Amino acid sequence: EAQVTQNPRYLITVTGKKLTVTCSQNMNHEYMSWYRQDPGLGLRQIYYSMNVEVTDKGDVPEGYKVSRKEKRNFPLILESPSPNQTSLYFCASGRRVDEQYFGPGTRLTVT
Amino acid sequence: SQKIEQNSEALNIQEGKTATLTCNYTNYSPAYLQWYRQDPGRGPVFLLLIRENEKEKRKERLKVTFDTTLKQSLFHITASQPADSATYLCALDSGGYQKVTFGTGTKLQVIP
Repeated sequence: EAQVTQNPRYLITVTGKKLTVTCSQNMNHEYMSWYRQDPGLGLRQIYYSMNVEVTDKGDVPEGYKVSRKEKRNFPLILESPSPNQTSLYFCASGRRVDEQYFGPGTRLTVT
Repeated sequence: SQKIEQNSEALNIQEGKTATLTCNYTNYSPAYLQWYRQDPGRGPVFLLLIRENEKEKRKERLKVTFDTTLKQSLFHITASQPADSATYLCALDSGGYQKVTFGTGTKLQVIP
């Protein structure tokens, strides 16, 4: 089944404790992206990647890191999470940026 | 930076009627505009894309128009059904083909 998977789906952590949210797709897509969704602010792009070893900043990259060492994986790293990073996070992939397939989401709470 | 406004946070319509959702944008002309559907607790699902040189696109009961003069896209669902109830998001490229900006969405409720 073609899909984008994210792990974990739910995570509660404390300020400053490094964490990684994994994202994997099995559709051989070149394009992958991370978004955060907050009430009243909608979906905002954090980082995107056009292909292996090619990443670039979206609109809200501060406090996040990404890497694209393999085509299928695009992990999101929070080196020192803070409470303002509490959000619902979505990973997406596509053959192109203009038709994306989204994962199920990761709900992160930073206390 | 690109700014998107979706006309209303919520829209209620009667089953069988046509739902019309609006997406307005400012600043510059995007190369494309997309519409997604999002159900509670789930990721958005791609519905339709329309490019800057296209005026209209259709897919089954869905129709999207793109007016680059008005800087507006209209999303229509004809013969609406309760199963169409969801939040609908518009998105467009935001200065760099690979960057995307999403609107905050319109929550559509179709009343039986």
